[in-house]
Amino acid sequence: AQKITQTQPGMFVQEKEAVTLDCTYDTSDPSYGLFWYKQPSSGEMIFLIYQGSYDQQNATEGRYSLNFQKARKSANLVISASQLGDSAMYFCAMREEETSGSRLTFGEGTQLTVNP
Amino acid sequence: EAGVTQFPSHSVIEKGQTVTLRCDPISGHDNLYWYRRVMGKEIKFLLHFVKESKQDESGMPNNRFLAERTGGTYSTLKVQPAELEDSGVYFCASSQVSGRIVNEQFFGPGTRLTVL
Repeated sequence: AQKITQTQPGMFVQEKEAVTLDCTYDTSDPSYGLFWYKQPSSGEMIFLIYQGSYDQQNATEGRYSLNFQKARKSANLVISASQLGDSAMYFCAMREEETSGSRLTFGEGTQLTVNP
Repeated sequence: EAGVTQFPSHSVIEKGQTVTLRCDPISGHDNLYWYRRVMGKEIKFLLHFVKESKQDESGMPNNRFLAERTGGTYSTLKVQPAELEDSGVYFCASSQVSGRIVNEQFFGPGTRLTVL
């Protein structure tokens, strides 16, 4: 079974609008962390935001916020006020503290295109 | 501060040949990880070093892959002999050993390997 599922292979959004990228996960580990990374066309992977399984509040980092719904096992990334530079591949990843230590398990990614 | 660097950025080899990929982590980062993304699929974990020791090599696909991290600084990943299915992008990441809960992994730009 997939541990990280990103159901949107591609997403389009108009500049200045908000967009939500979906991520659901599957784990029985009580302690885990969820990450979002951005990969622009240049290839590097850029860390965006982190949510811990015990965090009471949704994580926010500038224009990025994570809509964490623990009971539904979802960790959707919300990008507000989209910019042309947000066009990139976005990966959701999970770290299961007890099961697999510090390694990350990734989803297949969502290609976001921001239209002017 | 320099980020994670990888060399080469691209490599094209023929089936049966040997290729060695190199990763230089961020200075002071004891954790070093190798991942790869094959043919548009999800990024998969290969192995994890803590300093010069292999902490977890459960993701290594077979014995044609050999990773080393002599002296606990840079790491090499050798594929010998290369097969067609080894084509993909090989990412290296590093992180600190710290008490920070996030402890995010910083990724290099990847090496794109093509086996013909």
